[in-house]
Amino acid sequence: EAGVTQFPSHSVIEKGQTVTLRCDPISGHDNLYWYRRVMGKEIKFLLHFVKESKQDESGMPNNRFLAERTGGTYSTLKVQPAELEDSGVYFCASSQELVTGSTDGSSRPYEQYFGPGTRLTVT
Amino acid sequence: AQSVTQLGSHVSVSEGALVLLRCNYSSSVPPYLFWYVQYPNQGLQLLLKYTSAATLVKGINGFEAEFKKSETSFHLTKPSAHMSDAAEYFCAVSPNRDDKIIFGKGTRLHILP
Repeated sequence: EAGVTQFPSHSVIEKGQTVTLRCDPISGHDNLYWYRRVMGKEIKFLLHFVKESKQDESGMPNNRFLAERTGGTYSTLKVQPAELEDSGVYFCASSQELVTGSTDGSSRPYEQYFGPGTRLTVT
Repeated sequence: AQSVTQLGSHVSVSEGALVLLRCNYSSSVPPYLFWYVQYPNQGLQLLLKYTSAATLVKGINGFEAEFKKSETSFHLTKPSAHMSDAAEYFCAVSPNRDDKIIFGKGTRLHILP
């Protein structure tokens, strides 16, 4: 089974340009997440899709970032216009639906499978 | 708000020695806790996760972690380090019934021959 894939693996652009990152989740995974790691900092959540709907976009830094997931399959993250502070590694992750325990009825978190990331450098 | 603190951005151990990576969390409710590993030029891989079923959690590659509520800790250990364990390790927490993962800053593990 193919894992989460991301394209491109690296991107170098100039300040003010536009870049679009793509994420292909594992087939059948309805949940798709974007995270970002700025150099020297921790990995931070950006947003979460359930199918094509944005479930949580509380981590999006500003309106220069636009995420889409048309059709509920792959997702794109567009940065327009890019700024120097946007440099970092952008990770995508996907997971299945929440799993409910068969014995006690409790819900367990599902595992998020991460892609290799896209390293974005804005010069 | 939930948070995770990893003690030490770099840890070096000799091959064959005990690996101990420290993680403390802050949470007002029982959390879900994770350890992820990132090998060079690869994505994040789940090592293990705590979901309240057992306080001692065994993961892949011989790693395990113990949840200690009284200490709000979730330290990662491995009895004997191998050269292939060299990687960056992330402790993470997820709020109850929420799926956003909050990561620590990461600890880079170096294995000395």
